[in-house]
Amino acid sequence: DQQVKQNSPSLSVQEGRISILNCDYTNSMFDYFLWYKKYPAEGPTFLISISSIKDKNEDGRFTVFLNKSAKHLSLHIVPSQPGDSAVYFCAASARETSGSRLTFGEGTQLTVNP
Amino acid sequence: NAGVTQTPKFRVLKTGQSMTLLCAQDMNHEYMYWYRQDPGMGLRLIHYSVGEGTTAKGEVPDGYNVSRLKKQNFLLGLESAAPSQTSVYFCASSPRRGGSYNEQFFGPGTRLTVL
Repeated sequence: DQQVKQNSPSLSVQEGRISILNCDYTNSMFDYFLWYKKYPAEGPTFLISISSIKDKNEDGRFTVFLNKSAKHLSLHIVPSQPGDSAVYFCAASARETSGSRLTFGEGTQLTVNP
Repeated sequence: NAGVTQTPKFRVLKTGQSMTLLCAQDMNHEYMYWYRQDPGMGLRLIHYSVGEGTTAKGEVPDGYNVSRLKKQNFLLGLESAAPSQTSVYFCASSPRRGGSYNEQFFGPGTRLTVL
C-alpha cells in the first residue's frame, strides 16, 4: 500500500506566482516529514522538513504546512522561479523506525514558466 | 568533501549477468541506504544498513544483495539481472543522532538497463 501519496504528477505555474505541492499520508506513526528536490541526472537534495509537533515551517521562499488531522502536508514556494523547475518528493519517517528510514511519495514535476 | 559517490554512472547488462554497484561516503555516517527510482513510483528502499557489518531488507529487496564491510562503503549486488531491474539506483547516507531524525544525503545515481 502506498503510505505516502502525491496525487499530482505534474504542476505548471508562472514565474513569480505561488507553487503549491501536496502530499497525503496514511500511517499515523509518521512524525517527521521532508521535501526533497530532484533535478534530472542528479540525486535528490533535501529542501525542508517539519516535525509533527509543528504545523508550519518556513525557510526563505519555501514553507511547509502540516495538517495532522487530515494527514496532509503541502509545500508552498513563493515566489516561484524558473530554477525551481524540478521533481519534488515528499517523504515521511516514524520515530521508532530502525535506521531512520524514509517512505517517499511518487513525486510531482514542477515546471515554472518564465 | 565528495559527499556520496556512486560507481558506475551507467551500465547496460544482459539478462542473467551479475554486477555490483558501489556507494561510498566520506561524511562518517552510520546509516546507508539503497533505493531504486522508477517512473510514477517514487523512491523505493531496497536494503539499508545501520552500521558496519549490518544490513537489513527494505521495501523491495528481492533479487538484490548488499554488504557493508567498511563503514564508508555500501555495495549493492545483482546476482542474475532481470529486465524488471532496469531502473535508476540511488545510494544515500545519514548520521545517527540519538532519537532525532536526520536528513539523508543522496548520491548522483546509477542508471542501469537490463536487456
